[in-house]
Amino acid sequence: EAGVAQSPRYKIIEKRQSVAFWCNPISGHATLYWYQQILGQGPKLLIQFQNNGVVDDSQLPKDRFSAERLKGVDSTLKIQPAKLEDSAVYLCASSLAGSGVFLYEQYFGPGTRLTVT
Amino acid sequence: QKEVEQDPGPLSVPEGAIVSLNCTYSNSAFQYFMWYRQYSRKGPELLMYTYSSGNKEDGRFTAQVDKSSKYISLFIRDSQPSDSATYLCAMSGGGSNYKLTFGKGTLLTVNP
Repeated sequence: EAGVAQSPRYKIIEKRQSVAFWCNPISGHATLYWYQQILGQGPKLLIQFQNNGVVDDSQLPKDRFSAERLKGVDSTLKIQPAKLEDSAVYLCASSLAGSGVFLYEQYFGPGTRLTVT
Repeated sequence: QKEVEQDPGPLSVPEGAIVSLNCTYSNSAFQYFMWYRQYSRKGPELLMYTYSSGNKEDGRFTAQVDKSSKYISLFIRDSQPSDSATYLCAMSGGGSNYKLTFGKGTLLTVNP
């Protein structure tokens, strides 16, 4: 079974520039998550999709971050404009469902390491 | 007070040692408790999960939850160099409180 795919793996941009990350979840997984992991911290949920609908985006800085999941499969996360504090690893995860016994069975991709200079 | 507290270490042990990793939490609503392992430059992978209080064993790994003390532990027996990684605890309330809240992670190094 193929895992969660993410690209690019690394990205370096200057502050105020824009950047986009792409995620392809495990086939058949209805729920997709984007996390931000700052160095030395645990992952923090930015947004959760159930199919192509948003379940939770309460911790997404909506003035600069946006995400979409068209057709309920792939997803993109965009930052515009980037700030220095956005330097982090952006992790995508997927699960069969977003609640109950499936909640903890989240499968993570390798992440995109973003450096904002 | 953070919802989940985890000592970031680093923790260095010799091969074959028993390792104890711990997290404390403040939210009484947490019912699902998980441990993830994260190798350098990789995404986290689920190691074990426990619902409510009790123990769960899987090979060399044992997870313990004490809800009365709001304290969870992961024990690794006969530790191996391949166990060297960051270990993250995570918790959820389940139901409508499905969101996973992670600890900072503990960096473990097992020396041959």
